[in-house]
Amino acid sequence: DGGITQSPKYLFRKEGQNVTLSCEQNLNHDAMYWYRQDPGQGLRLIYYSQIVNDFQKGDIAEGYSVSREKKESFPLTVTSAQKNPTAFYLCASRELAGGAREQFFGPGTRLTVL
Amino acid sequence: GENVEQHPSTLSVQEGDSAVIKCTYSDSASNYFPWYKQELGKRPQLIIDIRSNVGEKKDQRIAVTLNKTAKHFSLHITETQPEDSAVYFCAASITGNQFYFGTGTSLTVIP
Repeated sequence: DGGITQSPKYLFRKEGQNVTLSCEQNLNHDAMYWYRQDPGQGLRLIYYSQIVNDFQKGDIAEGYSVSREKKESFPLTVTSAQKNPTAFYLCASRELAGGAREQFFGPGTRLTVL
Repeated sequence: GENVEQHPSTLSVQEGDSAVIKCTYSDSASNYFPWYKQELGKRPQLIIDIRSNVGEKKDQRIAVTLNKTAKHFSLHITETQPEDSAVYFCAASITGNQFYFGTGTSLTVIP
């Protein structure tokens, strides 16, 4: 299950606090993604990045921020502006060259707001 | 944007029977349709995918069919086994940049 890692596995946050979720990949993939998973709602895209120092908003970007300073890293910050942050967060990466389409997922971080 | 609907949300089958999960999509420009399996507490993993220039693809007990005219695609699992029990997600992608996922099907295979 190596290649793309997320930390921590579980995270607890008090209301009003910002928190940063880590995502690292050693697959040399160009694109990286953040999804939020809630029961009965599938995976919803928060942000994605295809190249260093560039990223695009997904369908539910409000209350989240990202950075892509290195190809292998794509951290997600959940800000206090996110009204319902308790969820399971999944990071994914994908090779862009050669028409590759498969996304590889990390093990996820479960965030709970107390 | 694209809208993907997935049915049923839960499915129970007897071991050895077949299971079928169906998805519809809204944007006719979508051209890549992967299926992911997520076991309890684990990450989603790709089990099969199909591109819009193909109508059917098979990999051992798993097959996917695509009907571009009707804008729907289906996952077929034959000879189901208890280890097939998991949540299955379909997805659609237009450019390969953004993926739109269905809401998932929880499959239970009863021994």
